[in-house]
Amino acid sequence: DAGVTQSPTHLIKTRGQQVTLRCSPKSGHDTVSWYQQALGQGPQFIFQYYEEEERQRGNFPDRFSGHQFPNYSSELNVNALLLGDSALYLCASSLWADYNEQFFGPGTRLTVL
Amino acid sequence: QKEVEQNSGPLSVPEGAIASLNCTYSDRGSQSFFWYRQYSGKSPELIMSIYSNGDKEDGRFTAQLNKASQYVSLLIRDSQPSDSATYLCACEYSGGGADGLTFGKGTHLIIQP
Repeated sequence: DAGVTQSPTHLIKTRGQQVTLRCSPKSGHDTVSWYQQALGQGPQFIFQYYEEEERQRGNFPDRFSGHQFPNYSSELNVNALLLGDSALYLCASSLWADYNEQFFGPGTRLTVL
Repeated sequence: QKEVEQNSGPLSVPEGAIASLNCTYSDRGSQSFFWYRQYSGKSPELIMSIYSNGDKEDGRFTAQLNKASQYVSLLIRDSQPSDSATYLCACEYSGGGADGLTFGKGTHLIIQP
């Protein structure tokens, strides 16, 4: 039973560039949530996707956008990168009908120079 | 605004003793509560979920919830050095779908051999 997978593991970009991160949810899960975790902080909710629609969004600018595909996998896109976007980006999968027990992938470490 | 507060620690506990981790939350509408363990450089791992007032036990872990006091705790019995990690408390408002988790900053736990 495959767990949550994310790619790439690490990424280095420069200010102003755009980045796409990818996530495949755990087998049987239909909901994907994205979080940003800065060093020494807890994860912060970016947005959640279910049935290929963004269902809820946290307090992030519209430079952050996403997509969910029919196979439930998801992408996170960040445009016009800022130094402050450097963080660990976590994807979590869950079942929509459940009490939202979310299981995290290994994360993508993004460094913006 | 939903907030989750945790003492950042470090909390130092001798091996074999009980480690007690605490968390308070601001949103009375929160319905689901989770404890995650995060080792340095890794992603959060779900260890306990609790939805009703009272205690919930799973092996060496006991989660406690008091909605009237807006208080969640995690007890770890017979602490082992491998329990040394950051423990994140998280709350969810809706109790099913369409909501992201709100995390505290985490408590750094050190189990002394």
